[in-house]
Amino acid sequence: GNSVTQMEGPVTLSEEAFLTINCTYTATGYPSLFWYVQYPGEGLQLLLKATKADDKGSNKGFEATYRKETTSFHLEKGSVQVSDSAVYFCALRNSNYQLIWGAGTKLIIKP
Amino acid sequence: DSGVTQTPKHLITATGQRVTLRCSPRSGDLSVYWYQQSLDQGLQFLIQYYNGEERAKGNILERFSAQQFPDLHSELNLSSLELGDSALYFCASSVDGTGNQETQYFGPGTRLLVL
Repeated sequence: GNSVTQMEGPVTLSEEAFLTINCTYTATGYPSLFWYVQYPGEGLQLLLKATKADDKGSNKGFEATYRKETTSFHLEKGSVQVSDSAVYFCALRNSNYQLIWGAGTKLIIKP
Repeated sequence: DSGVTQTPKHLITATGQRVTLRCSPRSGDLSVYWYQQSLDQGLQFLIQYYNGEERAKGNILERFSAQQFPDLHSELNLSSLELGDSALYFCASSVDGTGNQETQYFGPGTRLLVL
């Protein structure tokens, strides 16, 4: 079946550090892939998405590239800020348009 | 602001009780999804409605039910509540009328605490 695996958190970085949060998936076919972010006390917000192999999604300085050969969709940002502290969820959309979620990775950015 | 609204924001109740959570999708969206977020299970898809009809079921307990009304708002009913039902319940909507189902937009959630 479909599944998403994310690196366990929390991930703690200093401001302006480079960020990578790993995400790999198992799926039949070529699902769309998403990163959602959940800020403390808030709901889920779509951060970026990619709908086919080699697509790069980007938003707010974050990027992720759909890698079919490694079944991965790692999230990266060149220089993180304290305001990026949140929980990040990787997800895939299956053929029934349902989102299958990773466990979430908590990111803590220290000034 | 995603345009999806959920009420109430917080709900505290006792075991054995029944509650109703309400969701209004973004204007024009026909599809509503319900998700449960708990500490031990993470985010789980519960159920989906499209234009008033049930479309897909996920890990939804038999004690839980949902419906989507003609005005497209949806309600999730949770009955015979147990301590383990304490969680954050999210509603999401998609399908803007042009057939694009790629993105789901989430509401702020209802935090349920069962004592």
